[in-house]
Amino acid sequence: AQTVTQSQPEMSVQEAETVTLSCTYDTSESNYYLFWYKQPPSRQMILVIRQEAYKQQNATENRFSVNFQKAAKSFSLKISDSQLGDTAMYFCAFMNAGTASKLTFGTGTRLQVTL
Amino acid sequence: SAVISQKPSRDICQRGTSLTIQCQVDSQVTMMFWYRQQPGQSLTLIATANQGSEATYESGFVIDKFPISRPNLTFSTLTVSNMSPEDSSIYLCSVGRISNSNYGYTFGSGTRLTVV
Repeated sequence: AQTVTQSQPEMSVQEAETVTLSCTYDTSESNYYLFWYKQPPSRQMILVIRQEAYKQQNATENRFSVNFQKAAKSFSLKISDSQLGDTAMYFCAFMNAGTASKLTFGTGTRLQVTL
Repeated sequence: SAVISQKPSRDICQRGTSLTIQCQVDSQVTMMFWYRQQPGQSLTLIATANQGSEATYESGFVIDKFPISRPNLTFSTLTVSNMSPEDSSIYLCSVGRISNSNYGYTFGSGTRLTVV
């Protein structure tokens, strides 16, 4: 079974600064997908960024980028130019490739962006 | 990506009663997923709902407690039965898509359930 670990329960960053959220995972699969989801107080789960395991190039989405280290089974999220609206819970998630199977989530990191 | 309408958005229920949560998707999907998020916790999969067959439950979740219906490819319900305060959680439905470069999961807006 896959496991996803987020070792930072809470993080704080000042507005306009950069912050990196950590995620590691454990799997015996070779083909899979990784995701970062954001959950603001509205509780809506919002997809931030995704990465296919077979792609070596790190995914980027505007201010969000990942550092995907497949051998180390690491998938960190970097948020540049942090904004107050980035304040939320961030969940790292894993999914086996092939069919639309279930997501396995990490325990989450609560990010607070301050003035 | 798919758009999911989930209702109710919140409810306060008496212990011993049941609540049915509905999810409507704006496109046909093969599998729908139901998650529970206990206060301050991450999301845990309850079951996978397939159209035309019984739902597949994860360890720790049983059909008698969380019966699921999936009458067609755009709709599913989750019932939380014989509720106790321990069932107070956010319940979310989700659909997934794996199609070339367009993949990911969309979630409903969640149902915040409080059992008193």
